[in-house]
Amino acid sequence: AQKITQTQPGMFVQEKEAVTLDCTYDTSDPSYGLFWYKQPSSGEMIFLIYQGSYDQQNATEGRYSLNFQKARKSANLVISASQLGDSAMYFCAIEKAEAAGNKLTFGGGTRVLVKP
Amino acid sequence: KAGVTQTPRYLIKTRGQQVTLSCSPISGHRSVSWYQQTPGQGLQFLFEYFSETQRNKGNFPGRFSGRQFSNSRSEMNVSTLELGDSALYLCASSLQGEAFFGQGTRLTVV
Repeated sequence: AQKITQTQPGMFVQEKEAVTLDCTYDTSDPSYGLFWYKQPSSGEMIFLIYQGSYDQQNATEGRYSLNFQKARKSANLVISASQLGDSAMYFCAIEKAEAAGNKLTFGGGTRVLVKP
Repeated sequence: KAGVTQTPRYLIKTRGQQVTLSCSPISGHRSVSWYQQTPGQGLQFLFEYFSETQRNKGNFPGRFSGRQFSNSRSEMNVSTLELGDSALYLCASSLQGEAFFGQGTRLTVV
């Protein structure tokens, strides 16, 4: 079984500042993938970034970076230079490596509100 | 390239009725997964179809079913609707790697 915990239900961030969203996980699978998705009020889940459990380096995608600490089972998302359009729900998710995006287990999400 | 398309976007049904939701994946994607999102339970995996076969199943009652057609389009059916089935139903397609989601169908059961 897999489990994702996001301990921050909501947070405010000032425009242009960086914000870190926490994600801890539990899994018995030796090989797994970690994902972050953004969900604006429209409802669509937008893929942000992926980290494989055996990846040596932390993943980065533009303003998004993942602080992956395997021993601590954490995969925190860092958003740099926050923009007003970053206001949304953010979900961390995990799945077995071989599932290839087909069966995700999500955390409860963190709502981010960017202040001008 | 068109994204994942879900229809309808919004739906209101009465308890006891049944409903069918549709999902057209990204062209070339053969895997389609369905998720239910509610304020109380969050995002939960329903099932996944690959090449017209159900490959994975979540922990939902038999009232929830699905199918996939030869063109990879998928439908999800919920029979004997209950008030607790009110949710945003999200469909995702994947090739190998990250899942791409549609905008969802918001179902309200009254």
